[in-house]
Amino acid sequence: GAGVSQSPSNKVTEKGKDVELRCDPISGHTALYWYRQSLGQGLEFLIYFQGNSAPDKSGLPSDRFSAERTGGSVSTLTIQRTQQEDSAVYLCASSFSGQGHYEQYFGPGTRLTVT
Amino acid sequence: TQLLEQSPQFLSIQEGENLTVYCNSSSVFSSLQWYRQEPGEGPVLLVTVVTGGEVKKLKRLTFQFGDARKDSSLHITAAQPGDTGLYLCAGVNHQFYFGTGTSLTVIP
Repeated sequence: GAGVSQSPSNKVTEKGKDVELRCDPISGHTALYWYRQSLGQGLEFLIYFQGNSAPDKSGLPSDRFSAERTGGSVSTLTIQRTQQEDSAVYLCASSFSGQGHYEQYFGPGTRLTVT
Repeated sequence: TQLLEQSPQFLSIQEGENLTVYCNSSSVFSSLQWYRQEPGEGPVLLVTVVTGGEVKKLKRLTFQFGDARKDSSLHITAAQPGDTGLYLCAGVNHQFYFGTGTSLTVIP
């Protein structure tokens, strides 16, 4: 079956431009997570969706970052007025539920480079 | 913020050696997970431990959850080059809190 997919796989953008990153979770998974990972480091939590609502937005670094999820499926992470410090791999994960010990299934990530 | 510190951050060993990776926190978690990530891919779940003191074995990998459910360890016996990757622990309390990561290189 299809796993979590993310697009684009790589994105190079100029400082100050806006970017949109897309995540297609596994069908039927109600929970969706966005993380940011700097080279070889751990994951920084950004935002979590349960269905279409985001009960936890605490990890968004600034008001330049926003995310939405529609139809309980696809999610888009938008970064406005990108800065060089936004350069990282952005990972999306989905799970059957947002609670308990459920496994997160990760996509391959989008590597964002801000020049 | 519920921080998890992993040690060591980097580890390079010869094939056949044993190693242990530690994951420590001051927070109590309902469960703890270990993931492995290879370059260009997302992390993949290896194991979930739930009960304090629990030990789980996955072939040459042994995972232990601390009695107080604040820390965990991953022990690899007779490491193989295929074990190379970034190992991440994640504490679970309604959401997932990832550790700082341990980058393991096993040299043939």
